Amino acid sequence: SAVISQKPSRDICQRGTSLTIQCQVDSQVTMMFWYRQQPGQSLTLIATANQGSEATYESGFVIDKFPISRPNLTFSTLTVSNMSPEDSSIYLCSVELEGGHGYTFGSGTRLTVV
Amino acid sequence: AQRVTQPEKLLSVFKGAPVELKCNYSYSGSPELFWYVQYSRQRLQLLLRHISRESIKGFTADLNKGETSFHLKKPFAQEEDSAMYYCALLTGGGNKLTFGTGTQLKVEL
Repeated sequence: SAVISQKPSRDICQRGTSLTIQCQVDSQVTMMFWYRQQPGQSLTLIATANQGSEATYESGFVIDKFPISRPNLTFSTLTVSNMSPEDSSIYLCSVELEGGHGYTFGSGTRLTVV
Repeated sequence: AQRVTQPEKLLSVFKGAPVELKCNYSYSGSPELFWYVQYSRQRLQLLLRHISRESIKGFTADLNKGETSFHLKKPFAQEEDSAMYYCALLTGGGNKLTFGTGTQLKVEL
């Protein structure tokens, strides 16, 4: 099954700045998914990233705030722009397992905005 | 709209006792459901999916469409089962996971 490397694992950032999170998969995958887990809450899908096309964002998430790149079939980045304390969350990337046997997740990026 | 409900934030049981983690869903289509587990300081990992009807680490879950439930069960809890458990529903044409809020299982000695 696919192994995901995600970095950074954690960061503390100043409000108003941006942070780019990287997700590397050890095999080629069609779709990559970005989730957010706010403190004490469940995981929420931010967007789906296909290689060669613009990401598809879920309701409540916009490209200006969370721009995503997907330059090839093994890599994606999520940028959290113009951060505020409300963006403090764990951000995770995910890909589908081979054979449609479910989804696997990266280890997450714990972001704290001060 | 799809929804997953896990009514218990925390469930405490004694070692050797039966465990049932509740999950109810709301979805107009044909559901595909999963249980994910997150052990302390580890990443979220797939525990089991209803389609495969398997037992993993002694856990089973049966989809009950009449009750729209997918409860996770284990007859005898072990200390190593202590973790956060998330129920998830696959929708959006088969590529969007909707998660419940999770249940923290604590197995006490």
